[in-house]
Amino acid sequence: DVKVTQSSRYLVKRTGEKVFLECVQDMDHENMFWYRQDPGLGLRLIYFSYDVKMKEKGDIPEGYSVSREKKERFSLILESASTNQTSMYLCASSLNSGTGELFFGEGSRLTVL
Amino acid sequence: RKEVEQDPGPFNVPEGATVAFNCTYSNSASQSFFWYRQDCRKEPKLLMSVYSSGNEDGRFTAQLNRASQYISLLIRDSKLSDSATYLCVVNRGDSNYQLIWGAGTKLIIKP
Repeated sequence: DVKVTQSSRYLVKRTGEKVFLECVQDMDHENMFWYRQDPGLGLRLIYFSYDVKMKEKGDIPEGYSVSREKKERFSLILESASTNQTSMYLCASSLNSGTGELFFGEGSRLTVL
Repeated sequence: RKEVEQDPGPFNVPEGATVAFNCTYSNSASQSFFWYRQDCRKEPKLLMSVYSSGNEDGRFTAQLNRASQYISLLIRDSKLSDSATYLCVVNRGDSNYQLIWGAGTKLIIKP
């Protein structure tokens, strides 16, 4: 079974803090994604990566950056957390671009005070 | 207008009934369509892809209507375990990586 593991299930941070969310997948997938999910809205793509050291902006990249130094690991960084970044963050991986099945981690619920 | 629209529900349905959801999408260039299922406080999981000819997987049937730009999901003989939120997903026409997600339709199956 594909396993996507997110480092933290729940985080509480203060405005202005730097936040790291880490994601590791164990199925040698080329593609990895970071989404956020908010009530009443669909999942929104923040960044994705189709190869090591490659990254592409999604729909809402402002305020976020990413790092993919190894194939299995994709990190999301909030340089200076703000209250409007309070959300559920979901990492996903896939074998075949974004049109194949996405496998998600359990999510990281971030609260910024 | 949202790029992918779903009725948020909730749909309250007795066990054993048939229930259908529709989802409309705005980009006529979209080529890939999916239904994902998300249980409460869990991550989304792929339920089924939607093909042009329609497809069936057990009690679940998905249909695509390109002319009217909607996809549908039919659940027959609903079970208590079908209670979940069903997410409609469509690829952005100019990208194989960027998916547009509906906000989901919540289904509650009652005994």
